[in-house]
Amino acid sequence: DTEVTQTPKHLVMGMTNKKSLKCEQHMGHRAMYWYKQKAKKPPELMFVYSYEKLSINESVPSRFSPECPNSSLLNLHLHALQPEDSALYLCASSQPGTGNGAQHFGDGTRLSIL
Amino acid sequence: QKEVEQDPGPLSVPEGAIVSLNCTYSNSAFQYFMWYRQYSRKGPELLMYTYSSGNKEDGRFTAQVDKSSKYISLFIRDSQPSDSATYLCAMRDLYNQGGKLIFGQGTELSVKP
Repeated sequence: DTEVTQTPKHLVMGMTNKKSLKCEQHMGHRAMYWYKQKAKKPPELMFVYSYEKLSINESVPSRFSPECPNSSLLNLHLHALQPEDSALYLCASSQPGTGNGAQHFGDGTRLSIL
Repeated sequence: QKEVEQDPGPLSVPEGAIVSLNCTYSNSAFQYFMWYRQYSRKGPELLMYTYSSGNKEDGRFTAQVDKSSKYISLFIRDSQPSDSATYLCAMRDLYNQGGKLIFGQGTELSVKP
């Protein structure tokens, strides 16, 4: 079992729907990440939160909206997605800064856009 | 040229074999090196984390970093069918406060009984 928990595990949505992905960690980490992973490709960074503030946005389209309500929770709000957004969405956490920055991943949400 | 190069495989070995997985990189500022294992339909699982050059051993796994050659390796001894997965190398530099990791493409490993 991973220490980063993501819900739901699977999500199917139409292009006009609004949904949210949720991530929770209880490792005391203060940096949290959203990644997108397509089949047979490595994870691609989308957003980084450090101490609950957005520190990196990798030019992600505005139909993806992240939110970090507190140090252990991370959400990704989805709206008007496109079929090419179908992918595995991974959450990760770590300690920020130049110390032990190893990122720990959840098992992801498998998203399908109809 | 990609910042991190990793042979995607697939790599197929018999049970009990020694497996060698490798990545090369071009950015000399990389200081932190990681190996992740990813099973199908699961998230990446951290296997090894090393700082700068040297070796690190954990059970059947050994990670090596050669910064002079910009080359990292993961060795798996006495490989088992349960080691069948995709292995991703990842690294980041000393000054990257945001923690952005640069991943290799991943090597798909199959260990046959």
